[in-house]
Amino acid sequence: RKEVEQDPGPFNVPEGATVAFNCTYSNSASQSFFWYRQDCRKEPKLLMSVYSSGNEDGRFTAQLNRASQYISLLIRDSKLSDSATYLCVFKTSYDKVIFGPGTSLSVIP
Amino acid sequence: NAGVTQTPKFRVLKTGQSMTLLCAQDMNHEYMYWYRQDPGMGLRLIHYSVGEGTTAKGEVPDGYNVSRLKKQNFLLGLESAAPSQTSVYFCASSYSVERQSYNEQFFGPGTRLTVL
Repeated sequence: RKEVEQDPGPFNVPEGATVAFNCTYSNSASQSFFWYRQDCRKEPKLLMSVYSSGNEDGRFTAQLNRASQYISLLIRDSKLSDSATYLCVFKTSYDKVIFGPGTSLSVIP
Repeated sequence: NAGVTQTPKFRVLKTGQSMTLLCAQDMNHEYMYWYRQDPGMGLRLIHYSVGEGTTAKGEVPDGYNVSRLKKQNFLLGLESAAPSQTSVYFCASSYSVERQSYNEQFFGPGTRLTVL
């Protein structure tokens, strides 16, 4: 089993839609979880951390399910500017950082 | 603040040539990283450094060397380039683990390298 798996998409959704991505991980020692966003031909940037209790930042909600070993990202009221690739990231220690291959999202007018 | 900068932005090499990629950060970060990104594979860690004068191997270190002579700079070297090293290379930096905000990595704009 791969260390991290993401549906590569692309997800094509209309403006205003709600879309959700999942990311599964195999290393049960993973301690920290994140979602990064990467625009086309640009560098990745931190979108949000994922906490055990779940957390929300505006239209974005992240959740962690340790028992099933996955994290999720929910985007409500999608905007055109949300079009990007979303990378799930997890850490087992400061020197062990795993990036997922990314899920591509296109928000269509 | 410029954040994390990388030079060059693009480069084309012939097999067997050597080159050095330069990464610089002005955020006083202790940790620095070099990644490569290939289609469908995500970012893979090549080498990293937890402080000036120290380096360590990541997931895919073969064919690369690094040096961190100054805290703000992290160099990635290819001694004898191969077509398999065609990729986009990203440098990143972060605070040390002792700091609460160490989890966020700040990335440079990337270097697009083609080896013919």
